[in-house]
Amino acid sequence: AQSVTQLGSHVSVSEGALVLLRCNYSSSVPPYLFWYVQYPNQGLQLLLKYTSAATLVKGINGFEAEFKKSETSFHLTKPSAHMSDAAEYFCAVSVGSARQLTFGSGTQLTVLP
Amino acid sequence: GAGVSQSPRYKVAKRGQDVALRCDPISGHVSLFWYQQALGQGPEFLTYFQNEAQLDKSGLPSDRFFAERPEGSVSTLKIQRTQQEDSAVYLCASSPRGSTSGNTIYFGEGSWLTVV
Repeated sequence: AQSVTQLGSHVSVSEGALVLLRCNYSSSVPPYLFWYVQYPNQGLQLLLKYTSAATLVKGINGFEAEFKKSETSFHLTKPSAHMSDAAEYFCAVSVGSARQLTFGSGTQLTVLP
Repeated sequence: GAGVSQSPRYKVAKRGQDVALRCDPISGHVSLFWYQQALGQGPEFLTYFQNEAQLDKSGLPSDRFFAERPEGSVSTLKIQRTQQEDSAVYLCASSPRGSTSGNTIYFGEGSWLTVV
């Protein structure tokens, strides 16, 4: 079975600083990996996904993530945080013929002025 | 519609009451999912439909939970004899194809259920 671990339930950065949200996965077969963002009282919006093409994936709003098989990681980064990036971020995995996503417990990002 | 639509957005139920949550997926989407998101947690899979067929209900927590999608479009999640631990956000999601991993899944805004 696959699983996802998000290190750090809360991350705070200053506006303009680097954003780094960590995600490690566990899977016995090559995974598909996703990052979703959830703003207050809203549903989940896809930021980016890895589906075995390029290991560096660029998403919306300036976010990107790099798939590192040797580290079983898929960390999310953004060079310069903006106040509007404050939200909860979820990493998710699916493998093989599984149809559903398995989510991590989420990381709440706070951006300080 | 343009996105996945869910209703009601907010529901307060007395313990023991039955509730029904509706999901209207993106038009033409084959796959439909229900997830449960407890406060401070990530979403957890409940059940999956491909058109009208419920192919996976392994995540339903008890036989009080029932889902249907009789005509392959709108889906209803029904919870009988609600209990306090059922309080959560129920997310519906859809995907254009019936195939599997790697496909983008589009989420609705959720139905917030509070059982008092």
